[in-house]
Amino acid sequence: DAKTTQPPSMDCAEGRAANLPCNHSTISGNEYVYWYRQIHSQGPQYIIHGLKNNETNEMASLIITEDRKSSTLILPHATLRDTAVYYCIVRVAGNSGGATNKLIFGTGTLLAVQP
Amino acid sequence: KAGVTQTPRYLIKTRGQQVTLSCSPISGHRSVSWYQQTPGQGLQFLFEYFSETQRNKGNFPGRFSGRQFSNSRSEMNVSTLELGDSALYLCASSFGQGAFEQYFGPGTRLTVT
Repeated sequence: DAKTTQPPSMDCAEGRAANLPCNHSTISGNEYVYWYRQIHSQGPQYIIHGLKNNETNEMASLIITEDRKSSTLILPHATLRDTAVYYCIVRVAGNSGGATNKLIFGTGTLLAVQP
Repeated sequence: KAGVTQTPRYLIKTRGQQVTLSCSPISGHRSVSWYQQTPGQGLQFLFEYFSETQRNKGNFPGRFSGRQFSNSRSEMNVSTLELGDSALYLCASSFGQGAFEQYFGPGTRLTVT
């Protein structure tokens, strides 16, 4: 079972920031938080990951709470092309013992960007 | 750099037949994972290969099998197809195990009639 909980759907106006929440209250110390998105009928696309510090890349920002029990993915200026299902995943990665490429997907959040 | 390629993109098979799907990872990537996506069960992990060895396996019946070749290309096989095997089959490639980023292919849409 997925170790994350996300709202099933969210709306966002085009050009505004989209803030997608994720709860992962049972996250272990060596587990990273990952975000992927899947645009209809395409393969999932990696967005960003983080361990405990906030992270930013060209696509999004990831804010992780201090206790690491929840996080928020921020798309700063949502466009219609950002309409997709967004998945929050936790997994062991890097050189940690038990690292695997297995991703356990939950049901994700369907983000609908409105014109 | 070319992305992950999967062939064929679409496939129609009859119950009881078998099928082989192919995945070519990004050049230099040595790990390939496979997933099944259905409307009812969502995205489910099938198996993971690294350096021609299966490193991890999901909770699927033995009819689902796979392998990885020395050039990192991977195939998965489903024998004795059932209607419930109709799904989008996705593969993901990464440089190694525990990789931070994985890249998915466009998938193979399998329809079993």
